[in-house]
Amino acid sequence: EDKVVQSPLSLVVHEGDTVTLNCSYEVTNFRSLLWYKQEKKAPTFLFMLTSSGIEKKSGRLSSILDKKELFSILNITATQTGDSAVYLCAVEAYRDDKIIFGKGTRLHILP
Amino acid sequence: EPEVTQTPSHQVTQMGQEVILRCVPISNHLYFYWYRQILGQKVEFLVSFYNNEISEKSEIFDDQFSVERPDGSNFTLKIRSTKLEDSAMYFCASSLLGGELFFGEGSRLTVL
Repeated sequence: EDKVVQSPLSLVVHEGDTVTLNCSYEVTNFRSLLWYKQEKKAPTFLFMLTSSGIEKKSGRLSSILDKKELFSILNITATQTGDSAVYLCAVEAYRDDKIIFGKGTRLHILP
Repeated sequence: EPEVTQTPSHQVTQMGQEVILRCVPISNHLYFYWYRQILGQKVEFLVSFYNNEISEKSEIFDDQFSVERPDGSNFTLKIRSTKLEDSAMYFCASSLLGGELFFGEGSRLTVL
């Protein structure tokens, strides 16, 4: 059965800190790994990763995939209170038309 | 910017009643999905729809659930006879080629 495991489940840091969120997965016929940010309602897309070792970057957020070790990390530098959210990792397989989500990491940034 | 829209934003229903949740996906997208999220829990896959038919469904998506694309724009989720445990936020999503999903704002269903 396909599985996505995120850690930690929750994290509280102070504004300005750097955080690293982890996602490991087990999926047959892996196609892509995706990161989403969920604030009040719907998840919003952050990154899609398909190749190992290539960092994707958007402002203070960056992510990288290791297809050999089956994990990805999401880094947020110089955190701000607006970064407080649940960060969801999801994986997509070639044989399926479904995307499976992990339970998420709840990140809270203290001012 | 194109977006996925969902209606209603909140529906309250009695157990055993039928509910239809509506979604308008992004117009040029080819894949459509329903997910649900029970309060405080993970986002769970229900069903995907491609080329006018269900392409994948989860164990949650039993005979009480059905999806339809009655015209070129709407994508509906019907729950035939609601149960208390169907109370959740239901998210519609669409994508062009799979992968990057664009989610609607969700429809909160409360079953009493």
